[in-house]
Amino acid sequence: KAGVTQTPRYLIKTRGQQVTLSCSPISGHRSVSWYQQTPGQGLQFLFEYFSETQRNKGNFPGRFSGRQFSNSRSEMNVSTLELGDSALYLCASSSQLNTGELFFGEGSRLTVL
Amino acid sequence: KQEVTQIPAALSVPEGENLVLNCSFTDSAIYNLQWFRQDPGKGLTSLLLIQSSQREQTSGRLNASLDKSSGRSTLYIAASQPGDSATYLCAVNEVTGGGNKLTFGTGTQLKVEL
Repeated sequence: KAGVTQTPRYLIKTRGQQVTLSCSPISGHRSVSWYQQTPGQGLQFLFEYFSETQRNKGNFPGRFSGRQFSNSRSEMNVSTLELGDSALYLCASSSQLNTGELFFGEGSRLTVL
Repeated sequence: KQEVTQIPAALSVPEGENLVLNCSFTDSAIYNLQWFRQDPGKGLTSLLLIQSSQREQTSGRLNASLDKSSGRSTLYIAASQPGDSATYLCAVNEVTGGGNKLTFGTGTQLKVEL
């Protein structure tokens, strides 16, 4: 059974640009959530989608957005990139809400110059 | 606001030692607690999931306990090996989150030396 797949794995952008990251969950998993990991702030929750609906959103500016498709694949978008957006972005999927185990992908490492 | 703390921040032990990693959380209204390991530059690997109604879970050389009333969890690693070297993270899924919204600790960086 394939795990959570994130693309691209690495990318470099410049300030002001926008970026779209993709996440394919484990087959059958309908919950997809996103996290940002930085050395200073650690792992922080961005948002969660279940059956194409955003259920939760973390404390991030509106430049961070996401969506989920009918096949449960998810994308997140960051517009008007800032240097502080440089981070490892991790996607997780789960088969259940609330009590399910979360499985993470390898992440997308974004560097903003 | 839920806060998750992990002690110690870093730990270095000789191979073969048994060790305990600690995790504490401030709000006991949780669905579950999950332990992960993270290797440098990699994603998170799930180690153990403990539901709020459970006291402990075991997988191989790993044993995790949960005391929800006191807001504590421990991860016990038996007979440590160099391959266990990684950062270990605990995370809680709060009831008030209304879904799968994990709050993470800052991690314990473990080094097992030959």
